[in-house]
Amino acid sequence: RKEVEQDPGPFNVPEGATVAFNCTYSNSASQSFFWYRQDCRKEPKLLMSVYSSGNEDGRFTAQLNRASQYISLLIRDSKLSDSATYLCVVKGGSYIPTFGRGTSLIVHP
Amino acid sequence: GAGVSQSPSNKVTEKGKDVELRCDPISGHTALYWYRQSLGQGLEFLIYFQGNSAPDKSGLPSDRFSAERTGGSVSTLTIQRTQQEDSAVYLCASSLPPGGSEQYFGPGTRLTVT
Repeated sequence: RKEVEQDPGPFNVPEGATVAFNCTYSNSASQSFFWYRQDCRKEPKLLMSVYSSGNEDGRFTAQLNRASQYISLLIRDSKLSDSATYLCVVKGGSYIPTFGRGTSLIVHP
Repeated sequence: GAGVSQSPSNKVTEKGKDVELRCDPISGHTALYWYRQSLGQGLEFLIYFQGNSAPDKSGLPSDRFSAERTGGSVSTLTIQRTQQEDSAVYLCASSLPPGGSEQYFGPGTRLTVT
């Protein structure tokens, strides 16, 4: 089992739709969780950290389920500009994060 | 302020040649990471520097790969005797002292080995 797994997609949704991505991780000792966004041929950028209590930033909501070892990202009212690859990142006891392979989102008019 | 910079942005080299890739982290960031990303693939960890501690080289794929970080700032990744399978985007990231802090990525160096 891979350490961090994501559905590669692509998720193809119309503008205004709500879309959710899940990411599962294998290391139960993982301590820190993040979602990064990567645009085509660009570097990854932090979208949001994921806290145990769940957190929201505008149209984006991230949640952590430690018991089932997954994190999720919900995007409401999708915009064309949300089209990108979303990377799930997990850190365990070491300081080396593990990146998922990413989920591709395409928002169309 | 200035972000992470990398040079060159693109490098085309012949198989068997050596290449050096450079990373300038954000000033004050003590942690520095190198990753490799092949087309359509996730980020593959290569090496991690933290302050003056010995680097974590556990991700380096072979002894043809090495990296150093001088003065706790600039880092160079060297690939000797390049192979076609080394073709990828090499990304550098820096962060404040370790923990759950955010990583800031440079724009990457796209390496093509012909």
